[in-house]
Amino acid sequence: GGIITQTPKFLIGQEGQKLTLKCQQNFNHDTMYWYRQDSGKGLRLIYYSITENDLQKGDLSEGYDASREKKSSFSLTVTSAQKNEMAVFLCASSGTGGVYEQYFGPGTRLTVL
Amino acid sequence: GDSVTQKQGQVTLSEDDFLFINCTYSTTTYPTLLWYVQYPGQGPQLLLKVTTANNKGISRGFEATYDKGTTSFHLQKASVQESDSAVYFCALVETSSFSKLVFGQGTSLSVVP
Repeated sequence: GGIITQTPKFLIGQEGQKLTLKCQQNFNHDTMYWYRQDSGKGLRLIYYSITENDLQKGDLSEGYDASREKKSSFSLTVTSAQKNEMAVFLCASSGTGGVYEQYFGPGTRLTVL
Repeated sequence: GDSVTQKQGQVTLSEDDFLFINCTYSTTTYPTLLWYVQYPGQGPQLLLKVTTANNKGISRGFEATYDKGTTSFHLQKASVQESDSAVYFCALVETSSFSKLVFGQGTSLSVVP
């Protein structure tokens, strides 16, 4: 088995601040994902990466940057935090099971003051 | 683009009640349809996968089926327990890339004793 670790669990920032969320996986999976979860809106894909140093934009990439410097880690940066983007950010990875079976971390809850 | 609609935002049932959750989808081809479950404080996890080949998936007492004619897919369970309280998401594999999932808005199930 494996695990996905997301840090921090809670992130509080000021409006306009640059904030970074981190994700580590020990599944040895090739593909990693960042989602944003808003109440009543499901999960929306921000960025994904199919291998180290690869980045693909999702539907919600504006206002975010991502970095995949190692196979096991995937970071997400909120370039200028806004009050309307308070949400839970979920990291996931997938391997030989394909895109169907994604393994998710517990999430980082972002609050913007 | 591909889309999934899940209109039941919240469902409250008593233990041993029958559960039925419905999603509708829009896509240009025959999709692989998925159900994910998210327990409190955790990330989502894959519950069931349904393909055009098998038309049905069964796991942990849950059954998923789909109807090509009405482009809808369903999750049902004959007798829910308090431990089934969670958020249930339907999803499909995006057909333009086959590398992303499109999620529905989620149905929050509360099962009361």
